[in-house]
Amino acid sequence: DTGVSQDPRHKITKRGQNVTFRCDPISEHNRLYWYRQTLGQGPEFLTYFQNEAQLEKSRLLSDRFSAERPKGSFSTLEIQRTEQGDSAMYLCASSLGLGGISYGYTFGSGTRLTVV
Amino acid sequence: AQKVTQAQTEISVVEKEDVTLDCVYETRDTTYYLFWYKQPPSGELVFLIRRNSFDEQNEISGRYSWNFQKSTSSFNFTITASQVVDSAVYFCALSMTNTGNQFYFGTGTSLTVIP
Repeated sequence: DTGVSQDPRHKITKRGQNVTFRCDPISEHNRLYWYRQTLGQGPEFLTYFQNEAQLEKSRLLSDRFSAERPKGSFSTLEIQRTEQGDSAMYLCASSLGLGGISYGYTFGSGTRLTVV
Repeated sequence: AQKVTQAQTEISVVEKEDVTLDCVYETRDTTYYLFWYKQPPSGELVFLIRRNSFDEQNEISGRYSWNFQKSTSSFNFTITASQVVDSAVYFCALSMTNTGNQFYFGTGTSLTVIP
């Protein structure tokens, strides 16, 4: 499978616990994006990386959220001290960025987080 | 600021009817890209089309067609002879070249095709 992989597909956690999600992009893609989608809404941008550099972070990415992309390959998104409002689908996407244009923008199937 | 508005929250049509999904966007950039994605119940986002701001030609792909009008900042999507398999949530999205191409999504239109 050469698409964007996300793990796990589903996560149920108790409020206050920490969770970490993983995204494996398409191997030749240098850009990686995280989005959050709540019920009945469109995906909202959280952050993006070009190679290992985190170039942009949305205001939605509070201090409890941290994303990393060591070595410019896979990425992790960690949420500390989860709250019920964090319940959402977390989508990862990757693309080949050349200058101002991204090619082959592909989304993963997402990780659905439920905080109880 | 960038914004995408999909005013239709839910649409129901009977199979074989045509249906148009509306999308209105806002941006001050002159170079931008518009997209439509389909999200079936399984959750993945399926790419349908990408258009850049300099190409206003309408496009047809099978039963799907898109009407891009810069004068009204609209990028509407029409499904001809709808089928039950078209039932999904459809998202319109906008991206700019100066933002790493992050997407700005609309809130989606949930389409139900009744057999």
